[in-house]
Amino acid sequence: EPEVTQTPSHQVTQMGQEVILRCVPISNHLYFYWYRQILGQKVEFLVSFYNNEISEKSEIFDDQFSVERPDGSNFTLKIRSTKLEDSAMYFCASSVVGDSYNEQFFGPGTRLTVL
Amino acid sequence: DAKTTQPNSMESNEEEPVHLPCNHSTISGTDYIHWYRQLPSQGPEYVIHGLTSNVNNRMASLAIAEDRKSSTLILHRATLRDAAVYYCILRVRDDKIIFGKGTRLHILP
Repeated sequence: EPEVTQTPSHQVTQMGQEVILRCVPISNHLYFYWYRQILGQKVEFLVSFYNNEISEKSEIFDDQFSVERPDGSNFTLKIRSTKLEDSAMYFCASSVVGDSYNEQFFGPGTRLTVL
Repeated sequence: DAKTTQPNSMESNEEEPVHLPCNHSTISGTDYIHWYRQLPSQGPEYVIHGLTSNVNNRMASLAIAEDRKSSTLILHRATLRDAAVYYCILRVRDDKIIFGKGTRLHILP
């Protein structure tokens, strides 16, 4: 069964450093998403991406965040200068189409720890 | 956005059916009712969704009230592997998912 994969599974970084989280969505999917979950809290939407541009972003997704689809398979989330409060699980998701009746497939997540 | 209300936690015995309730009294006519779950240390996983009619799939059944103001996710025979947080979500016209706190389901052996 096809699945969304994410690397690395755990990333530890120093405050102020740049990190890139990588995702490989399911191959025939066209819509891509990033969510995050701070320990013990809700899963929060960050950004949606379609046709090589951002469709929607949340208030969390400020200028420190960026997304890119550098090739036909990878979808990346970059945090330019990490802060302690960026420590969280980051989940990538993808869907065939971006509407309210299609399911999103989530990856296993990357745990980001900012020291 | 229309909101959902779920119990914080529920318990069930292994191999028994589980009924997870969700209230969504402000649902609009075009909102789809989705259920996702999150197993420990994993990403969310789609379970089922519906609009007006009851739905069945290999994982669960979704019973939707006639007025659509509430719904129930039914796990027909719970296993230990079904212990997770279950999210009842209303999907509006756009594509993002807004997660609430969900119901933490404990399965007793």
